[in-house]
Amino acid sequence: DTGVSQDPRHKITKRGQNVTFRCDPISEHNRLYWYRQTLGQGPEFLTYFQNEAQLEKSRLLSDRFSAERPKGSFSTLEIQRTEQGDSAMYLCASSPTGGHSGNTIYFGEGSWLTVV
Amino acid sequence: GQSLEQPSEVTAVEGAIVQINCTYQTSGFYGLSWYQQHDGGAPTFLSYNALDGLEETGRFSSFLSRSDSYGYLLLQELQMKDSASYFCAVRPISGNTPLVFGKGTRLSVIA
Repeated sequence: DTGVSQDPRHKITKRGQNVTFRCDPISEHNRLYWYRQTLGQGPEFLTYFQNEAQLEKSRLLSDRFSAERPKGSFSTLEIQRTEQGDSAMYLCASSPTGGHSGNTIYFGEGSWLTVV
Repeated sequence: GQSLEQPSEVTAVEGAIVQINCTYQTSGFYGLSWYQQHDGGAPTFLSYNALDGLEETGRFSSFLSRSDSYGYLLLQELQMKDSASYFCAVRPISGNTPLVFGKGTRLSVIA
């Protein structure tokens, strides 16, 4: 399967713990996006990378959130000192650059986070 | 900023046609995209309108009118498997913000 893969698919953690999610984009895609989605809502943009450069961060991305894409391939999203409000599905997506390609992004299956 | 409005729920009968509307307020954008998401699944790309008019892809069509700040997704010959949430999305021209999604419309197809 050459789609976007995310790991873990499900994570239950206690409030205050740190969690890390990993995303492997489609191999030829140099743009990688992180979104968050809660029940009944659309995906909300968190941050995105072009190659290893983090180009944009949403104000939703508090200081407890950090994302990296060290070699321009896979990415990690870490949430420190988790809060119950962090419970959501964290979606990773990728796309190539150029033209209208940014309008067509390919999502992974998501990582469900439950903070108890 | 950008905001997109969609109906929260739509119900339609198998075999029928349904239209899901999307109205938006944005200072400028590249085009209007539509995504489908089944329960527990990932959003998947359906259609994209860079220009005004109708784009057809099989049973699905999408329409954009920039002058009316309006678009829609049209699903024909509805099947039970079309029951899902549908999101419209725009990519703003200003800044580096990628796709901004609406809250989605939950379509229920009934027999």
